Amino acid sequence: GAGVSQSPRYKVAKRGQDVALRCDPISGHVSLFWYQQALGQGPEFLTYFQNEAQLDKSGLPSDRFFAERPEGSVSTLKIQRTQQEDSAVYLCASSLGASAGGNIQYFGAGTRLSVL
Amino acid sequence: AQTVTQSQPEMSVQEAETVTLSCTYDTSESDYYLFWYKQPPSRQMILVIRQEAYKQQNATENRFSVNFQKAAKSFSLKISDSQLGDAAMYFCAYWGGANSKLTFGKGITLSVRP
Repeated sequence: GAGVSQSPRYKVAKRGQDVALRCDPISGHVSLFWYQQALGQGPEFLTYFQNEAQLDKSGLPSDRFFAERPEGSVSTLKIQRTQQEDSAVYLCASSLGASAGGNIQYFGAGTRLSVL
Repeated sequence: AQTVTQSQPEMSVQEAETVTLSCTYDTSESDYYLFWYKQPPSRQMILVIRQEAYKQQNATENRFSVNFQKAAKSFSLKISDSQLGDAAMYFCAYWGGANSKLTFGKGITLSVRP
């Protein structure tokens, strides 16, 4: 596709519900990243995939957060039993090569999650 | 651990004037990259400019340029001939070492006065 696509753009969940956020990276991009951006803050890293392999999940805040990229393309970030502190914008980014500073990360417009 | 600090939460500039956004970082790595990203209200992060630490020459992209001071660990962004469309949040970011991630500062909100 022309850019990184994320859906839905907005998600409202009741506390305790499970949610699934989708990211469709730029076609052919090997690397995929998820970031969490709290209101008025910079994005914080959650997890990184190289193709279908999840190589770094050090930023996932708890075991309620789970990400997958089974065919090395589309990725889903799942949050189980959502809590109010999960309210944030979730950004997805992709890059052409394996993770390296020389590879520019292209971002989607994010999903704004509000947990009531 | 690497940290990125943007100490100015907000700045304002008159249209057609020049503004400089500040960023400092901390790292023990010798080889790394620094970035400035722009985030308009649409939320989509757009890369403005990138600097490789081993290059002494400051990066430039049209109206955007950086002042990279490696010894001082400073990486400021200069926007010349500011335009209304430059109004956005600007984030300074770092990538380096064995990390697979970008580390972002808290961002600065830039407003442009017509």
